[in-house]
Amino acid sequence: NAGVTQTPKFQVLKTGQSMTLQCAQDMNHNSMYWYRQDPGMGLRLIYYSASEGTTDKGEVPNGYNVSRLNKREFSLRLESAAPSQTSVYFCASSVQGFENSGANVLTFGAGSRLTVL
Amino acid sequence: QQQVKQSPQSLIVQKGGISIINCAYENTAFDYFPWYQQFPGKGPALLIAIRPDVSEKKEGRFTISFNKSAKQFSLHIMDSQPGDSATYFCAASIRGGATNKLIFGTGTLLAVQP
Repeated sequence: NAGVTQTPKFQVLKTGQSMTLQCAQDMNHNSMYWYRQDPGMGLRLIYYSASEGTTDKGEVPNGYNVSRLNKREFSLRLESAAPSQTSVYFCASSVQGFENSGANVLTFGAGSRLTVL
Repeated sequence: QQQVKQSPQSLIVQKGGISIINCAYENTAFDYFPWYQQFPGKGPALLIAIRPDVSEKKEGRFTISFNKSAKQFSLHIMDSQPGDSATYFCAASIRGGATNKLIFGTGTLLAVQP
């Protein structure tokens, strides 16, 4: 059971470079999310996809784009990286409304640590 | 605007002691309050959750206490163990909502000393 798989685990970029973080889940979950984690800031939602074919902005979407490629895959793209985007990025997925009476239980990947110089 | 406020930022507890982490929320529409546990180098994982129709939920050594009128909830870890050392996040959401997004607190780094 792989769960949620993120690649790469580590990446160093120079300011202005672009890159894509990949995320795949094998749990047949409908919803997928990208969060960033920064010291003292907790987990902040960047973008989410409630279902295949839809994406929406979260709390901190500026500087990012996403693609829900299919039900399994949800990628996060930085078009022109900035030092403020240095962070640990987490992808998560969830299934809603079944065993948990509508509660949203997230399964997270192991994270991708990004450093922008 | 931080919709879920968490304290303390860090906590040191002796083995066998009680760890207490507090959270407060603003949106009275929230009706699902989970706690996530994160070990170093790993993603967060659901630990325990509560709905506002009960005031307390216990699972093993972990207990959530919920005060709806005060809009506060807390995590109690009884008989804390070194293996409990992790970062703990409280969160809140609206069940069944159109977006059903989880809003997280800022996290508490717990260190249990042997």
